[in-house]
Amino acid sequence: EIVLTQSPGTLSLSPGERATLSCKTSQSVGSSYLAWFQQKPGQAPRLLIYGASTRATGIPDRFSGSGSGTDFTLTISRLEPDDFAVYYCQQSGSSPLTFGGGTRVEI
Amino acid sequence: QVQLQESGPGLVKPSETLSLTCTVSGGSINRGGYFWTWIRQLSGRGLEWIGDNDYSDIRNYNPSLKSRVDISVDTSKSQFSLKLKSVTAADTAVYYCARRTYFGSGRYDPNKYYIDYWGQGALVTVSS
Repeated sequence: EIVLTQSPGTLSLSPGERATLSCKTSQSVGSSYLAWFQQKPGQAPRLLIYGASTRATGIPDRFSGSGSGTDFTLTISRLEPDDFAVYYCQQSGSSPLTFGGGTRVEI
Repeated sequence: QVQLQESGPGLVKPSETLSLTCTVSGGSINRGGYFWTWIRQLSGRGLEWIGDNDYSDIRNYNPSLKSRVDISVDTSKSQFSLKLKSVTAADTAVYYCARRTYFGSGRYDPNKYYIDYWGQGALVTVSS
């Protein structure tokens, strides 16, 4: 199965700063078979990005995704208080579907 | 707005079968373009895809769980279900039902299903 490694484990930033989250896969997942999710405590994950770079419905444009092959990035251009959460990447290029271990973005 | 809601026992004894049901509202379960999915979250962080099924009974399972898992869809009740046999403490987790939707265009690409709706999650503890 494809292993997804997210870094850093925790990102400590302030509102208004830029957040850059990395997701590396153990094998190529193609140009677009990657999604990003946001999870807040006590809630289910929420789809932010699919196809590596397409924002899901209702997701603000301060969230952007990029990358292909084995290296992907989620960027939050200017952090808002509501953005402090855990972020997961997930690949759909090969079965079984797998998730990264998450990056916590904290104040 | 599509909503999914898990239901089932919150406590299961070791060696028994974990059974959960997900009720879908606000959208049809009886159409193509969707896989009805179960995912679990272990120890508050690690997400694990268990498997899924579409309305025509095409099933996909995680090989690590395949021998113990059955996912079925009941279109008449707009529900889908998870059964996980022979559970141990390692199966203690929050179990989510979810919908994987096809986001492709043009030539069909089976890799372009993405998880766009989730239930709120159900904590299941395996303990005697």
